[in-house]
Amino acid sequence: GAGVSQSPSNKVTEKGKDVELRCDPISGHTALYWYRQSLGQGLEFLIYFQGNSAPDKSGLPSDRFSAERTGGSVSTLTIQRTQQEDSAVYLCASSLARTGELFFGEGSRLTVL
Amino acid sequence: GENVEQHPSTLSVQEGDSAVIKCTYSDSASNYFPWYKQELGKRPQLIIDIRSNVGEKKDQRIAVTLNKTAKHFSLHITETQPEDSAVYFCAASLGNQFYFGTGTSLTVIP
Repeated sequence: GAGVSQSPSNKVTEKGKDVELRCDPISGHTALYWYRQSLGQGLEFLIYFQGNSAPDKSGLPSDRFSAERTGGSVSTLTIQRTQQEDSAVYLCASSLARTGELFFGEGSRLTVL
Repeated sequence: GENVEQHPSTLSVQEGDSAVIKCTYSDSASNYFPWYKQELGKRPQLIIDIRSNVGEKKDQRIAVTLNKTAKHFSLHITETQPEDSAVYFCAASLGNQFYFGTGTSLTVIP
């Protein structure tokens, strides 16, 4: 596609439910990032995938968060047993390794009631 | 790891005036410094970047300066226009990892 695509754009869920957020990066981009943006806050790094290497999971805030990237393309961020503090916009970005520019998706806005 | 601080958090300027946003970083090994603009409800988009072997870069009304010794870099917007109103994020990159500042909400008053 022309850009990074994320779905769903909006997700409202009840506390305790699991959610899955999907990211479809730009074709050919080997690097994929997940960030979390809470209201009025900066971009909090969650996880980074580079090609077939083991992902950098150092930003995941708890073991309720996990992510996978299948076939070096689409990525899914899973949040188990959601809490109200998980409410945020989850942004995915992709890049060609080492060129620098991150291309962001529109984000998935998660609201946990 | 890297720590990026950004100031101010909010900035209001009159249309036509200049705006300056400043960032500092902690790891001298960081070598790439992009700036992203995020309009309300939109995705962040790269507006300008600078690498560590360059001290200044300009693109029309936007410029970025880098002081490696002091470990700080700044975004300068001249002749501001209402469409410049947005949140601006600086970042420092080390390898393939990006560390973002907390953002500056810029309002240009017509």
